[in-house]
Amino acid sequence: DAKTTQPNSMESNEEEPVHLPCNHSTISGTDYIHWYRQLPSQGPEYVIHGLTSNVNNRMASLAIAEDRKSSTLILHRATLRDAAVYYCISTLNTGNQFYFGTGTSLTVIP
Amino acid sequence: NAGVMQNPRHLVRRRGQEARLRCSPMKGHSHVYWYRQLPEEGLKFMVYLQKENIIDESGMPKERFSAEFPKEGPSILRIQQVVRGDSAAYFCASSPGAGANVLTFGAGSRLTVL
Repeated sequence: DAKTTQPNSMESNEEEPVHLPCNHSTISGTDYIHWYRQLPSQGPEYVIHGLTSNVNNRMASLAIAEDRKSSTLILHRATLRDAAVYYCISTLNTGNQFYFGTGTSLTVIP
Repeated sequence: NAGVMQNPRHLVRRRGQEARLRCSPMKGHSHVYWYRQLPEEGLKFMVYLQKENIIDESGMPKERFSAEFPKEGPSILRIQQVVRGDSAAYFCASSPGAGANVLTFGAGSRLTVL
């Protein structure tokens, strides 16, 4: 499986953009990059995923490096409700296994 | 359209008892995943199942733990002879099928072993 590396924690001021980095240097050509987040005392929820091109949805944007060895999740305006642990996952191309790391704990400062 | 349903939400067991955790996937989803989360830690993959088949159980402890996803009914994670170290939140997720699927998670079952 392609291992991902994320910072343990980050802080952001409310209403400012947040860039959450992820390294996946061993990613293979057909592995997708997924982001999930887990709010306190809740199950994880899907945020966004992509393969090669940058992706946007109502929650966030995903910027994927040209060599695909890293990606960045962008929250355009952080709110207090965005305080969560954010997980970056690279899925295996041979199946559907989703291996989560320890994620990045995002603190949003009012 | 109910999401992934897990029950019980909270389960208390004494050491040596059995714990059974149930997961009903979203309608139309045929793939189920189980994860364990210890306090203050990340999600650890346990097992990935399709209907009547275990696809990947590489994250399951070799003893006392088993999982099934029968043709009819929910997926069940069974822990025999529980120990205090089994105390954790157990999350189930489901997806529609092969490909770059999106996982939908349940709210989790929190097991406490006394």
